[in-house]
Amino acid sequence: KNQVEQSPQSLIILEGKNCTLQCNYTVSPFSNLRWYKQDTGRGPVSLTIMTFSENTKSNGRYTATLDADTKQSSLHITASQLSDSASYICVVTDRGSTLGRLYFGRGTQLTVWP
Amino acid sequence: EADIYQTPRYLVIGTGKKITLECSQTMGHDKMYWYQQDPGMELHLIHYSYGVNSTEKGDLSSESTVSRIRTEHFPLTLESARPSHTSQYLCASSEKVGGRVHNEQFFGPGTRLTVL
Repeated sequence: KNQVEQSPQSLIILEGKNCTLQCNYTVSPFSNLRWYKQDTGRGPVSLTIMTFSENTKSNGRYTATLDADTKQSSLHITASQLSDSASYICVVTDRGSTLGRLYFGRGTQLTVWP
Repeated sequence: EADIYQTPRYLVIGTGKKITLECSQTMGHDKMYWYQQDPGMELHLIHYSYGVNSTEKGDLSSESTVSRIRTEHFPLTLESARPSHTSQYLCASSEKVGGRVHNEQFFGPGTRLTVL
């Protein structure tokens, strides 16, 4: 069964601190992995995308890593800001699906305190 | 910010009412999707469309129906709403591409539905 597991479920950090969110997946065959940010009451917005051959991808203060052998990914947030408070969702695309079927994790709810 | 819109943003209705959730995109995308999301849970695909006059059921069984008469419009209808339909409904769209490369899905802001 294709699954995406994220940890921790929730995280509270102080403004300016760094944090790392984890994602493990069993989706196969693998096409790509995206990290989405979902603000409360809004739709998810893509932060990064990585394909099988990519190990690291950065987008400003967000850096994602991918280990396709162990089927693990992480999202590192540097120098957190209050606006980083959101749910971060790991999403894996199934390469075997013509639809481009997405498998979603439940997200990590990040809260940044001043 | 993606050009995909959903209305209404919030809806509170009584049991038995018929409702339609609207979704429109101005990006000319062929593929469109409806997801259901409960708090703290993953998104579940309930409907999708490859293009005009194409609609398919997703992974999660839903009593809702959809239509795709125009490329830009993908409304979702509940004929008789029940409290179990209370949830957030997210619409998304993506470009149709060849081969195995899958483009990003762009999400609307969602409709928060509460059925009393």
